[in-house]
Amino acid sequence: AQSVTQLDSQVPVFEEAPVELRCNYSSSVSVYLFWYVQYPNQGLQLLLKYLSGSTLVKGINGFEAEFNKSQTSFHLRKPSVHISDTAEYFCAVSDRNNQGGKLIFGQGTELSVKP
Amino acid sequence: EPEVTQTPSHQVTQMGQEVILRCVPISNHLYFYWYRQILGQKVEFLVSFYNNEISEKSEIFDDQFSVERPDGSNFTLKIRSTKLEDSAMYFCASRGQATYEQYFGPGTRLTVT
Repeated sequence: AQSVTQLDSQVPVFEEAPVELRCNYSSSVSVYLFWYVQYPNQGLQLLLKYLSGSTLVKGINGFEAEFNKSQTSFHLRKPSVHISDTAEYFCAVSDRNNQGGKLIFGQGTELSVKP
Repeated sequence: EPEVTQTPSHQVTQMGQEVILRCVPISNHLYFYWYRQILGQKVEFLVSFYNNEISEKSEIFDDQFSVERPDGSNFTLKIRSTKLEDSAMYFCASRGQATYEQYFGPGTRLTVT
């Protein structure tokens, strides 16, 4: 079984500041890793994914994440945030060996960007 | 860009009534999913569907729930006799054969009174 922990439920930050949203996971098997974003009153949109290869992955809207196997982490970063980045961010994993590929989500982190 | 659509966006129903939530996945996708998010809680997996059958279901997905792909485009979630605790946002998702990322619809907010 897998579990995902997002260490911060809320992250307030000023516009143009850097931000890091933390995600740790627990799994007895190898996993794929994902970050999704949910803007107010909208569905979940894929930001980026780690499947294999380079541990630093780049996504949409200037976000990137780094997979750290030894620390079982997949933290999301952006060097300079905009007001429009205000949203809920979800980290998720899926079992590499499970063809069905269900996603296990963390609790979410609410990013609030202030002017 | 193709997207997953869901109807209705908001459904209000009385306890004990049956509801059907509808989804149109992306057209060439083969894997289909339902998730739910109770207000203030994490997104939870309900069921996955592939090749016209359930491939996996969670403990939440009991006999009150069923899924169906009645034609080549729709994917539905039926709750036979709704309970107050079924109130949640229900998300449909789909993915292609050779990909691992799931694409989500905008959700249906179900309110059981």
